[in-house]
Amino acid sequence: DAKTTQPPSMDCAEGRAANLPCNHSTISGNEYVYWYRQIHSQGPQYIIHGLKNNETNEMASLIITEDRKSSTLILPHATLRDTAVYYCIVRVRGDSNYQLIWGAGTKLIIKP
Amino acid sequence: KAGVTQTPRYLIKTRGQQVTLSCSPISGHRSVSWYQQTPGQGLQFLFEYFSETQRNKGNFPGRFSGRQFSNSRSEMNVSTLELGDSALYLCASSLDLADNEQFFGPGTRLTVL
Repeated sequence: DAKTTQPPSMDCAEGRAANLPCNHSTISGNEYVYWYRQIHSQGPQYIIHGLKNNETNEMASLIITEDRKSSTLILPHATLRDTAVYYCIVRVRGDSNYQLIWGAGTKLIIKP
Repeated sequence: KAGVTQTPRYLIKTRGQQVTLSCSPISGHRSVSWYQQTPGQGLQFLFEYFSETQRNKGNFPGRFSGRQFSNSRSEMNVSTLELGDSALYLCASSLDLADNEQFFGPGTRLTVL
């Protein structure tokens, strides 16, 4: 079962910041939050991950609330090429290794 | 460096048949994971292989199996195909187990008639 909840779709104007929310209220203390995106007809692409602290890389920033029950992915200057489905994922401990539990994703449409 | 490759890209089979899908990871990557993606269920984890051994398994029936070769290439097999097996099958590779970043291939689109 998915451990994350995301809005099914969002729009954002080109050049503006895109803020994608995710709820993960049942997350455990040692479970990481990951974000991937999937552009149409391609495999998913890793964006960023975090545990407790906010994280930033060349693609995006990840803001995790202090109680860890939700997070926000920020694309600082969205371009048309950022149109994709964005998945918020929790990495859980499986039988012998970790597993990524994928949510339903948010379809982000960047408009000119 | 070449990315993850999957063959074939498209496949049409009929119920009851079996199918084998192939995945070549990025050079130097030793872990390969398989996922099934459908419109209704989204992305679901099938299994992960490392050093020719299955290290992790999702909740799929025994009709779904896989293996990994000494060169890290992996295959997955689905026997006695059902209509519900129609999906995009994605392979992802990473340097090591529990690596933070997985690199996905373009997938194999399987249609079961």
